[in-house]
Amino acid sequence: SQQGEEDPQALSIQEGENATMNCSYKTSINNLQWYRQNSGRGLVHLILIRSNEREKHSGRLRVTLDTSKKSSSLLITASRAADTASYFCATDLQGAQKLVFGQGTRLTINP
Amino acid sequence: DAGITQSPRHKVTETGTPVTLRCHQTENHRYMYWYRQDPGHGLRLIHYSYGVKDTDKGEVSDGYSVSRSKTEDFLLTLESATSSQTSVYFCAISESMGGYTFGSGTRLTVV
Repeated sequence: SQQGEEDPQALSIQEGENATMNCSYKTSINNLQWYRQNSGRGLVHLILIRSNEREKHSGRLRVTLDTSKKSSSLLITASRAADTASYFCATDLQGAQKLVFGQGTRLTINP
Repeated sequence: DAGITQSPRHKVTETGTPVTLRCHQTENHRYMYWYRQDPGHGLRLIHYSYGVKDTDKGEVSDGYSVSRSKTEDFLLTLESATSSQTSVYFCAISESMGGYTFGSGTRLTVV
């Protein structure tokens, strides 16, 4: 079964608005990562947050992690048409050097 | 990404035939992974490697085998292809507990 589950499965917003995607997971982790995938392409690593961190920023991206609730969120501020893609969270489980991916959120930015 | 290449990019094969997909890296990373991506399932781990000749199974390893005789190459073999193995296959590399770098994918169709 999937370790991570993203919510919502699909999100459509207007350009300039903020987009928030959520991820929940089941077991203890070393870190949680977010990836972007444009249609027909490979995944691109966006940001990594370690289990002892609560918030991390990278440009227009903000990631939060709540290990007590086993959840994370990805916020994209001031969205652009180029942000249209699928976004995946992935968890690096404790004791295992491998990532387990969720099913992703499909984000559409309307001009 | 220039540091990781997959071949072939597309392949159509017949049921029952063996198929080998290749992943080549120039980053000298220790860890290499094979995932498959299917609608409704996200990315699922098939096999991974943590060094030359050191491999382990992922969650969907049945019907697949792997080999890693050199640091730079990780081969995925479908011993006898079935229609259920029609998918997009991604290779990924990482050095340690960090982000993964993904290849561009191989689209495999089994007819």
